Amino acid sequence: NAGVTQTPKFRILKIGQSMTLQCTQDMNHNYMYWYRQDPGMGLKLIYYSVGAGITDKGEVPNGYNVSRSTTEDFPLRLELAAPSQTSVYFCASSYGGDEQFFGPGTRLTVL
Amino acid sequence: QKEVEQNSGPLSVPEGAIASLNCTYSDRGSQSFFWYRQYSGKSPELIMFIYSNGDKEDGRFTAQLNKASQYVSLLIRDSQPSDSATYLCAVPGGNQFYFGTGTSLTVIP
Repeated sequence: NAGVTQTPKFRILKIGQSMTLQCTQDMNHNYMYWYRQDPGMGLKLIYYSVGAGITDKGEVPNGYNVSRSTTEDFPLRLELAAPSQTSVYFCASSYGGDEQFFGPGTRLTVL
Repeated sequence: QKEVEQNSGPLSVPEGAIASLNCTYSDRGSQSFFWYRQYSGKSPELIMFIYSNGDKEDGRFTAQLNKASQYVSLLIRDSQPSDSATYLCAVPGGNQFYFGTGTSLTVIP
């Protein structure tokens, strides 16, 4: 049981580039989440999904897009990267609204 | 918008002492409360959850919930240097979790 996996672990982007952060879970959880965490700050919810084909915005969705075509995968797309998107990105999953299991994170720098 | 507030610290305690971490929340209807620990450079991991008023103990950790006063606390007994981390309080609401900004704890050997 790998839990929640994220790729890549690290990435440096130039301003204006795009990329997709991958997230996969093998626990058959219906709920999945994307958070960003800036240095010394708490977790801010970007998008979440309560099941395949269903997504909704969180607190800070601007500049991001998501899709959920399968139960296992919940990729996060960054279009036109900006320095303000420099952060650590965490994917999480849960069964219903219960305990969330987090992936190891992706550290993204936009220069 | 639900709010979850924590004292950001840093909180420093000597090894063997009791560390007390507090969290207040705005939604009086909240039913469950979670404490996560996050080591520097790592992802959050669940250490305790509590649903009912009163205390819940798990090893050296005790969660205390007071719904009337809308606060939940985490006590760490016999604090160890390995407990040095940031502790996040989380409250579910709708389909989301609302996290506090976390309290940084340092246990001094």
